[in-house]
Amino acid sequence: IVLTQSPGTLSLSSGERATLSCRASQSVPANYLAWYQQKPGQAPRLLISGASSRATGIPDRFSGSGSGTDFTLTISRLDPEDFTVYYCQQYGMSLSFGGGTKVEI
Amino acid sequence: EVQLLDSGGGLVWPGGSLRLSCAASGFSFSSYAMSWVRQAPGKGLEWVSSISISGGNTYYADDVKGRFTISRDNSKNTVYLQMNSLRVEDTAVYYCAKDEGPHDSWGQGTRVSVSS
Repeated sequence: IVLTQSPGTLSLSSGERATLSCRASQSVPANYLAWYQQKPGQAPRLLISGASSRATGIPDRFSGSGSGTDFTLTISRLDPEDFTVYYCQQYGMSLSFGGGTKVEI
Repeated sequence: EVQLLDSGGGLVWPGGSLRLSCAASGFSFSSYAMSWVRQAPGKGLEWVSSISISGGNTYYADDVKGRFTISRDNSKNTVYLQMNSLRVEDTAVYYCAKDEGPHDSWGQGTRVSVSS
């Protein structure tokens, strides 16, 4: 399954809402879609699994939605620490990652 | 606390070999599948390989099939990635990750550079 993330770069300000898209080339089985945040020089951190379940310790400003082939990660109010790169991953049929979305100031 | 410690990276000639290791602690290692994910310089994440709980089932990305071998030793809480016939395009940071997805724990990464 090929995942396409858009936009490639999102330019926003602190306090604004961010909407990131992840589109799959075919339906993701059981909506097994995850979102990760990655800061420079660090390993990725799991934010969302099963399309909409927040991982342990993730602030509630992060939310996931969608099903089938179209998924969205929403950050309701951007905090300065949220300006970094985000990846989606499907784990329903083998594993694959999207190309990433950079959220910049 | 879950910890994954990746090691074994380095500089190698094209066609060479390396074996990566990932030592796990803080969880019941033998109850989880494990995976390797890589990231080329300035690029995104790419799944490389996964292995089942017992080690009886292994899975590979097309790019590495036939060249890389994943294995595990549940007595040592360690997963390995044997990389043979390395290519310049295998240059990346390699992360081990808990489970076959989603990955709630990751190693710190080990850098592999393939260059002449």
